[in-house]
Amino acid sequence: GQSLEQPSEVTAVEGAIVQINCTYQTSGFYGLSWYQQHDGGAPTFLSYNGLDGLEETGRFSSFLSRSDSYGYLLLQELQMKDSASYFCAVRGDNFNKFYFGSGTKLNVKP
Amino acid sequence: DGGITQSPKYLFRKEGQNVTLSCEQNLNHDAMYWYRQDPGQGLRLIYYSQIVNDFQKGDIAEGYSVSREKKESFPLTVTSAQKNPTAFYLCASSMTGTGRETQYFGPGTRLLVL
Repeated sequence: GQSLEQPSEVTAVEGAIVQINCTYQTSGFYGLSWYQQHDGGAPTFLSYNGLDGLEETGRFSSFLSRSDSYGYLLLQELQMKDSASYFCAVRGDNFNKFYFGSGTKLNVKP
Repeated sequence: DGGITQSPKYLFRKEGQNVTLSCEQNLNHDAMYWYRQDPGQGLRLIYYSQIVNDFQKGDIAEGYSVSREKKESFPLTVTSAQKNPTAFYLCASSMTGTGRETQYFGPGTRLLVL
């Protein structure tokens, strides 16, 4: 089977840095993605890692270590609008299927 | 503007009733997906389709059916066999063959049982 583990909730203050971890177990692997979802809204794509290392997109960065089956999303200079749920997703044994973690709710406080 | 539309935004189902959720995309994407999201949970795959006239079951297909007669459209029917249909339903699409395969999501349909 496929499983993805991420913390259920994280709280941080405005302007801080927060890291959201994701560990996965899949029988195949074709890349790790991150999505953001505000309450009541649709998920939107943030970042993708197909190879080991760090990908940076503005205030957001994502890291992957395939040998450790681990990745993280790093959010810098937190803003109130970053309060949302963040999901990691993996393309596993079936190249055409995506598996999502249960999500991490990020609460940004003033 | 290119994107994915879902309708209706809210849908109410009576006991024993089949209901159909609409999903349309004008992104020219080959692949389309249906996910179910329960409160505080992640997304679970119901059905997916890589090309017209072909679709595959996901992890929770029981009680659901789909069709893919056109590239742009991928409607989902929630049948009376689905005993716990109350959830947020998300449709997504993606290009295939690029490797990155970002998924683009529609705004979702909330299904409630009367």
